[in-house]
Amino acid sequence: SYILTQPPSVSVAPGQTAKIICGGDNIGGKGVHWYQGRPGQAPVMVVYDDSNRPSGIPERFSGSNSGDTAILTINRVEAGDEADYYCQVWDGSRNRVVFGGGTKVTVL
Amino acid sequence: EVQLLESGGGVIQSGGSLRLSCAASGFFFNNYAMNWVRQAPGKGLEWVSSISGTGGSTYYADSVKGRFTISRDNSGKTLYLNMNVLSAGDTAVYYCAKDLYGGSMVRGVLEFWGQGTLVTVSS
Repeated sequence: SYILTQPPSVSVAPGQTAKIICGGDNIGGKGVHWYQGRPGQAPVMVVYDDSNRPSGIPERFSGSNSGDTAILTINRVEAGDEADYYCQVWDGSRNRVVFGGGTKVTVL
Repeated sequence: EVQLLESGGGVIQSGGSLRLSCAASGFFFNNYAMNWVRQAPGKGLEWVSSISGTGGSTYYADSVKGRFTISRDNSGKTLYLNMNVLSAGDTAVYYCAKDLYGGSMVRGVLEFWGQGTLVTVSS
């Protein structure tokens, strides 16, 4: 089955840039989507189809995808960005949604 | 405004059954695939099942195949998840989520999520 690999945690100072990695075999050939999850709240899509932002998501959030790595970048990190971030793809060969294990972003 | 409201969660004994519902509003329900995703306490997101807009195509995670059934009532704008032979490993918050793109296929782009309903399976 298709596997997405994320680092368990990333720490970043306010105002700096956070990069969250999502690894997968030839992930560059798939559309990658990213979700923000906070305790007790519904997950929120922050990037879809590699690099598109849904309405209402700040421009500080951006995504890229190439080769075996997709990246979610959060510029000018704020305290409110502290959350878990999940990458996700649709595995069309097996008709299933696949999530990465999630990365906890801590704002120092 | 898109709204998804899950219900039906609760405490159930191991081996029991439960039916979750997700009431949708604010969009043309018939035209969008829908999904169930769960999150066990302290764990990450786990996809459970997806269904196309017509209900003609359904997909399941291996962990629930044969025990869970996804369905939808387009006239009533409601998504369902019937869960049988529940075990402790099914304890989680269950979210329904709307696909971003309309059409006949499941695309697995989870644009909007409900607040979730908690299922607790006790032994």
